[in-house]
This record gives sequence, C-alpha cells and structure tokens, in this order.
Amino acid sequence: DAGVTQSPTHLIKTRGQQVTLRCSPKSGHDTVSWYQQALGQGPQFIFQYYEEEERQRGNFPDRFSGHQFPNYSSELNVNALLLGDSALYLCASSFLAADTQYFGPGTRLTVL
Amino acid sequence: SQQGEEDPQALSIQEGENATMNCSYKTSINNLQWYRQNSGRGLVHLILIRSNEREKHSGRLRVTLDTSKKSSSLLITASRAADTASYFCAQTRYEIGGAGSYQLTFGKGTKLSVIP
Repeated sequence: DAGVTQSPTHLIKTRGQQVTLRCSPKSGHDTVSWYQQALGQGPQFIFQYYEEEERQRGNFPDRFSGHQFPNYSSELNVNALLLGDSALYLCASSFLAADTQYFGPGTRLTVL
Repeated sequence: SQQGEEDPQALSIQEGENATMNCSYKTSINNLQWYRQNSGRGLVHLILIRSNEREKHSGRLRVTLDTSKKSSSLLITASRAADTASYFCAQTRYEIGGAGSYQLTFGKGTKLSVIP
C-alpha cells in the first residue's frame, strides 16, 4: 500500500519564477492538505482540497494556488517566487473529514 | 501563525533514559496529535489524543492531555538512538464548511538527541 508521494524531491528556482509541486495521496484518501515548513519551524497550513475544491486556506498570499484532480492527486503552484518561499513543502492526505493526516516526504524548494 | 509551543526546544539524553516533551496551546481543540520528523523529511504520525481523553499509550509512548491547562506531554520510555528526531505537537480544530475539515496547527517542535 503506497503512502503519500511527492515530486520532485528537491527543486532550485530563482526569484520571480513559478513552481509546481505534485502530490499523490495515500490509497483510499480523498483529501489533500499542503504545509510549508521553514528551517527550524513547524509546518504551517497553506490550504486543503476536497472534491477538487479548496476547502480551507491558511494565511498565505494568492501567489500560492492549488488544484486537485479527479484521481485525488494535487498540485501546489507558487508564482513570483521570493527568497522567503524557500522551505520544505509537505503534502498530507486523509479520508473525508478524518482527523489523522498522513504526510509525504516533502519537496525541498530553494529560491536563489 | 503557530498556536502551540513545545518545551524544551532541544533535549539530549542517554540511550535507555526516558524523554519528556511538553506542548502548550492557546485555543480550544478537538484533539491533539504528536508527530515525529527525521532530518527535515516527512512527518510520521505517532499518536492522537481526543479532547475528552486524559491519557493514551502506544508502545513506548505515553501522551497526556490537560485541557484545563491547555497542555499535553509526550513521554518516550527506554529511549533508543533511533528515537533521535524532532517531535511536534499539532492541535486539530474542526472547521465547519462543506463536508467539514480538520486543520493541523503545529508548534516549533522539540529536537531530541539520544546518545548511544
């Protein structure tokens, strides 16, 4: 049973560029949440997708957007990258409104 | 913004000793969860304790929850070198809307080092 997978593992971009990160949820899960974790900090909630719609959003600017596909996989897009966007981006999946979320290994984004 | 805080920020112990980490939070919760993170990679779910529970065990882990003090503790007994990791508590709040959803709010974590 595959767990949550994310791609790519690492990514290096320059300021002003755009990036797309991908996530496949655990088998049987239909809800995907995205988190940003800066170095030395805990993860911060970006947004959550269910039934292909954004259901909740944390305190992140509109430069951060997402999408969920019919097969429940999800993408996180960040436009106009800033140095401060450098972080580990974590995807977590769960089933319906279940409260336990299972995390993927993350994508390490470095913005130069 | 992060609602909870773990204490201590860092903890170093000898293998075989017990490790205790504390977590405080600010608002009401539905439940509280503990996660482990190795070397800045993905988080592994350890244990969930609901707001109407006071104590929960899982293997060498023991979690307590005091909702009146808005605090929780994680005890790892007979620690091993493999327990070296960062440990995070996450408060869960159920948000009404659509099918409803849970949002996790994390603290900054406790970095545990277990010396062989």
